[in-house]
Order: sequence, then C-alpha cells, then structure tokens
Amino acid sequence: SAVISQKPSRDICQRGTSLTIQCQVDSQVTMMFWYRQQPGQSLTLIATANQGSEATYESGFVIDKFPISRPNLTFSTLTVSNMSPEDSSIYLCSVQTLSYEQYFGPGTRLTVT
Amino acid sequence: AQSVTQLGSHVSVSEGALVLLRCNYSSSVPPYLFWYVQYPNQGLQLLLKYTSAATLVKGINGFEAEFKKSETSFHLTKPSAHMSDAAEYFCAVSDMWGSSGDKLTFGTGTRLAVRP
Repeated sequence: SAVISQKPSRDICQRGTSLTIQCQVDSQVTMMFWYRQQPGQSLTLIATANQGSEATYESGFVIDKFPISRPNLTFSTLTVSNMSPEDSSIYLCSVQTLSYEQYFGPGTRLTVT
Repeated sequence: AQSVTQLGSHVSVSEGALVLLRCNYSSSVPPYLFWYVQYPNQGLQLLLKYTSAATLVKGINGFEAEFKKSETSFHLTKPSAHMSDAAEYFCAVSDMWGSSGDKLTFGTGTRLAVRP
C-alpha cells in the first residue's frame, strides 16, 4: 500500500485566483494521477502526472487551467488557475503500486466564491 | 472504451442484513476491477480488486465480490451489514492491456444506508 498526504485539506478562494495543491507519497511510485470529484458526483480523471515529462491530460482538461508538476517520484502538484465557482470540487491525487492498486489521498476540498 | 454502471444510486438495508451493491462493466479487453469505499469527508479506500486470478475476491471489512464474465458483472456483497458500513461505494475498471492502460474509470457510486 501507500500513504498519501495532500495540502491543503480545504480552502476557500476568490474567483480569478489560483490554488496549488500538493500531493506527497511515502514511497517512490511511477504512476500518479489527479482526479476531480464534483459535489455529489463520481470521480473524473484530470491527468496523469509523469515524472520528468509533461502531464497527460484527459479530454476536457487543459494544461493552462490545470498545470501539473512532478519533480520526483514521491511528489506532485496540481494548480487550479483562474478559478470560477464551477471549479468548486474535491481534488484527489492517487498513486498506483506495482500490484496495480491505486491508493488515494484524503482530498482537497475547494470552494470558490 | 471502458465503462462501469452501478445500478441503484441509493441502497438501504437493515443492520445484519445482506448487502448487495451492483456493478456491471464494459471493456474491450480482460478488465481489472476494483471496489472503493468513501466515508464522509474522506478520500477513497480500496476494498478489493480483481486482476484475472480467482473470480471470487475477498476484501477488507468482510466484503467480497465475484467476477462473472458471462454477465459482465462484479457485484459487491457482505453477509451482514454493520452501521459502520454506511458510506459511498464506487466500482471502477481499468483495461490494463488496452488503450486506456492504467487509468481508472469510475461508476457513479452507490450510497449505502444501514438502518438500526
């Protein structure tokens, strides 16, 4: 398994600002992912964070809005840029182990006013 | 493309009763299947996974799931519900050997309520 922490756990932000969410895992992992969970809904994959190269984004998500960094095998950040109320969601990072299991962080609850 | 359908967005059972949460999948290649649980204001916790070994998979907290290829199903069961099982449950699929690779596709979730 893997233990994942996220910072911040929650934040309230104003429209037009940006927030960077940090994800730290207690072991080196190859695959890291960022998901969005809108209120009362399921999880949607935003992007795969690749170490040493640009993230791979899913349809409907773009780098200018959700820039991602992956400087090493234990850490990644997701920035939510130029926020609007529609960005109010829970953002979760996950990691995949060699046994093909994905473990999730506790999430960052973002409210945009 | 892979997809997951969870029948029943809300399921309510009495404490001690059987829990059955339904999941059907669609995948062009042999899938890997997962069940996750999400307690209020928490992240997701892996309950169990199927990765083409035994079709009956046992997970944590007394849950198990059976992979039925002929029915494209991976239903989650627990013989006796406990109050602490009240949570949101998500079924997920990845086609490890297909075009989507390691990506998980989640169902819409089933909220389980347990009545005293």
